[in-house]
Amino acid sequence: DAGITQSPRHKVTETGTPVTLRCHQTENHRYMYWYRQDPGHGLRLIHYSYGVKDTDKGEVSDGYSVSRSKTEDFLLTLESATSSQTSVYFCAMAGGKNTGELFFGEGSRLTVL
Amino acid sequence: DAKTTQPNSMESNEEEPVHLPCNHSTISGTDYIHWYRQLPSQGPEYVIHGLTSNVNNRMASLAIAEDRKSSTLILHRATLRDAAVYYCILRDSNAGGTSYGKLTFGQGTILTVHP
Repeated sequence: DAGITQSPRHKVTETGTPVTLRCHQTENHRYMYWYRQDPGHGLRLIHYSYGVKDTDKGEVSDGYSVSRSKTEDFLLTLESATSSQTSVYFCAMAGGKNTGELFFGEGSRLTVL
Repeated sequence: DAKTTQPNSMESNEEEPVHLPCNHSTISGTDYIHWYRQLPSQGPEYVIHGLTSNVNNRMASLAIAEDRKSSTLILHRATLRDAAVYYCILRDSNAGGTSYGKLTFGQGTILTVHP
């Protein structure tokens, strides 16, 4: 059982269109995160959430917004996709207890033409 | 933020031990040392973490230098499935729960395992 899933797993879209990626967890974890991964840059944090309706910016937040209306869902929105946002996006969750473990989803590959 | 330095790549043979080094000379007293790995086409996967003492779990062992300026991830018997990118990361425990995800992933070490 994955405990955390992302959708869609693959998406091709055109420049200027809005895109929403969904992250869904079944563990009732408090903390959720969105990362992007690009060759030569590793994983970079976009936005994170520390509770329902509580979110904050990460390292590369420009051009992205997030929402968390319920514990299990964390949405990442690209209001107007650009080619520079072509990337693999990973969602992650953490329980907040000192287990030290961050659980990642399988990733969503987004291509912006 | 304290940074880590890892070799770009390492190679090993199947069923042999692998020692993956990590330098973190600017580590602070409240920084935990975390290791994650990323298999091809998958999200990162937690491996192990520690603060001062050596740690063991079913996946690996973590050996931490006495001055905490370096650490080594030990895979006791490498398998082909262990071929992955291994990331050594510091997490500031003073940052509270949100620090779990506010991790700085560097380039990591690409581990190749030969049959």
